[in-house]
Amino acid sequence: GAGVSQSPSNKVTEKGKDVELRCDPISGHTALYWYRQSLGQGLEFLIYFQGNSAPDKSGLPSDRFSAERTGGSVSTLTIQRTQQEDSAVYLCASSPAGEDYGYTFGSGTRLTVV
Amino acid sequence: SQQGEEDPQALSIQEGENATMNCSYKTSINNLQWYRQNSGRGLVHLILIRSNEREKHSGRLRVTLDTSKKSSSLLITASRAADTASYFCATDGIGGYNKLIFGAGTRLAVHP
Repeated sequence: GAGVSQSPSNKVTEKGKDVELRCDPISGHTALYWYRQSLGQGLEFLIYFQGNSAPDKSGLPSDRFSAERTGGSVSTLTIQRTQQEDSAVYLCASSPAGEDYGYTFGSGTRLTVV
Repeated sequence: SQQGEEDPQALSIQEGENATMNCSYKTSINNLQWYRQNSGRGLVHLILIRSNEREKHSGRLRVTLDTSKKSSSLLITASRAADTASYFCATDGIGGYNKLIFGAGTRLAVHP
């Protein structure tokens, strides 16, 4: 597609429920990233996929968080047993391979845990 | 921990004035990038400067990089109300392609 697409744009869930957030990157971009941003804060790195390499999961805050990327394209971020502190905007970005490219971000998913 | 830290945290100026934002980082880098964010949603890539470059221009934007001081600045000239946004610097890690680490951002308000 023309840009990075994220769904849903907004999600309200009850504490303890599981949620799945979806990211559809730009076709041909081999790198895909998940970040989260709490209100008024900077971006916190969560996980990074690059081609067929093992993902860099070093930013996942707990084992309740997991992500997968199927077929080198669409990615799903899953949060199990959601907590109120998980409330944030979850941003996905993609980029071509190589180190001299900027990221293209999606519009994010605003997650609210009540 | 964050790699980049922006200064100031907030900046308020009048239309037509120049806006300067600074970024400091801690480790060696391959490149440094600046992004803009409107309304707390997706970020837009503005400019990338490589570690062997000292200055780069794009329209009304001017970015400088001083690797000896581990710092960068973003200058927006002749600001407009539409420039109102948060601006973030981001750095990668040297020694191979790596994910970007973002600073906390500078909130810029340009008043008509």
